[in-house]
Amino acid sequence: IAGITQAPTSQILAAGRRMTLRCTQDMRHNAMYWYRQDLGLGLRLIHYSNTAGTTGKGEVPDGYSVSRANTDDFPLTLASAVPSQTSVYFCASSVGGLTDTQYFGPGTRLTVL
Amino acid sequence: GQNIDQPTEMTATEGAIVQINCTYQTSGFNGLFWYQQHAGEAPTFLSYNVLDGLEEKGRFSSFLSRSKGYSYLLLKELQMKDSASYLCAVLDSNYQLIWGAGTKLIIKP
Repeated sequence: IAGITQAPTSQILAAGRRMTLRCTQDMRHNAMYWYRQDLGLGLRLIHYSNTAGTTGKGEVPDGYSVSRANTDDFPLTLASAVPSQTSVYFCASSVGGLTDTQYFGPGTRLTVL
Repeated sequence: GQNIDQPTEMTATEGAIVQINCTYQTSGFNGLFWYQQHAGEAPTFLSYNVLDGLEEKGRFSSFLSRSKGYSYLLLKELQMKDSASYLCAVLDSNYQLIWGAGTKLIIKP
């Protein structure tokens, strides 16, 4: 692994189903983030984690949950998917906090029908 | 409310210079980032400005005026590979990163 990876690359999901998007980094970065990117809108922060064992809510956290059991992994779970959660999801990490450069994963394209 | 404004789309010619503007209204300021995002790919870091003035990095330069709530990204000697979206993001006083919708730059031969 080099950098930050996400899985799956894309997914089509029926409404009401549970889905976990995976994110792993090997850079030993302390902070990790989940964003969604929708056409015509800026990246919007869903949840973040400043360090392993801690998480926080971003701008649009409803319907999503995260965990940070270790430094490398930061999964994002949709408990019961809805069509408005159709989006491209990016995971990112940074050495420290938000004044540091963020490194983004390749993204997961999620479609909820 | 907090707001970042960028032009939606710009077109420029290969070899030319283009300036992409970003204006912001945020609660406080702790820095401004520019990221590049090619279609279907992840954003990648270009620059970070926290003090007024121009920062140059090769063909790319970024300028900041905090008093005017204004920044621009200057791209010189444009290449076809510079066709991408350019995202402006501002770190506010609460260290929240506010992202603009991005400017899609189209380079023509």
